[in-house]
Amino acid sequence: SYVLTQPPSVSVAPGQTATFTCGGDNIESKSVQWYQQKPGHAPLLVVYDDDDRPSWTPERFSGSNSGNMATLSINRVEVGDEADYYCQVWHTDSDIWKFGGGTKLTVL
Amino acid sequence: QVHLVETGGGVVQPGRSLRLSCEASGFNFSENAMYWVRQSPGKGLDWVATIFHDGRRIFYTDSVRGRFTISRDNSRNTLYLRMANLRSDDTAVYYCAKDAGYVQFPDFWGQGALVTVSS
Repeated sequence: SYVLTQPPSVSVAPGQTATFTCGGDNIESKSVQWYQQKPGHAPLLVVYDDDDRPSWTPERFSGSNSGNMATLSINRVEVGDEADYYCQVWHTDSDIWKFGGGTKLTVL
Repeated sequence: QVHLVETGGGVVQPGRSLRLSCEASGFNFSENAMYWVRQSPGKGLDWVATIFHDGRRIFYTDSVRGRFTISRDNSRNTLYLRMANLRSDDTAVYYCAKDAGYVQFPDFWGQGALVTVSS
């Protein structure tokens, strides 16, 4: 089974940069998506295919993917960015759709 | 505007069955694969099942295979999840989600339906 590893929490001050990591075996060979989930709400796609943004995602959000690690960065973090962030891939070898365990962003 | 509305959640005893429905609108339902994803209380997202646009290819996570059945009625723009032999660890919010078009990831999600398995 394919495992995606995310740190449980990240804390940053407003205006700083938040960085989320998602580790997986040779993850660079896969398309990585990132979802934002605020308490009591459904997940929202914020980055897809490693580094593309849907029309509703601010340019402050960016993604990258290399080696065994994918990364989501949020520049100029705002209090409204507080949420859980999940990475996701489709593991083609066994046709399973995997999510990481999620990282909780706290804006200090 | 994509809209997904899940119904059918509730409290059910262990070993019993329940069927969730997800009514879709705002896109061509018959052209998109669909997903069910669940989230246990206080936990992360957990993929449950995927069905291709025509219903001919279906995939399940190991923990539900043989107990859950995903299906769709393209004439009614509705996705279903039949859950049988329910266990306490199936307690979760169940989300239906629309595929982005590549059968690799969901792009829009419903608000979810809570299923509680308890005696």
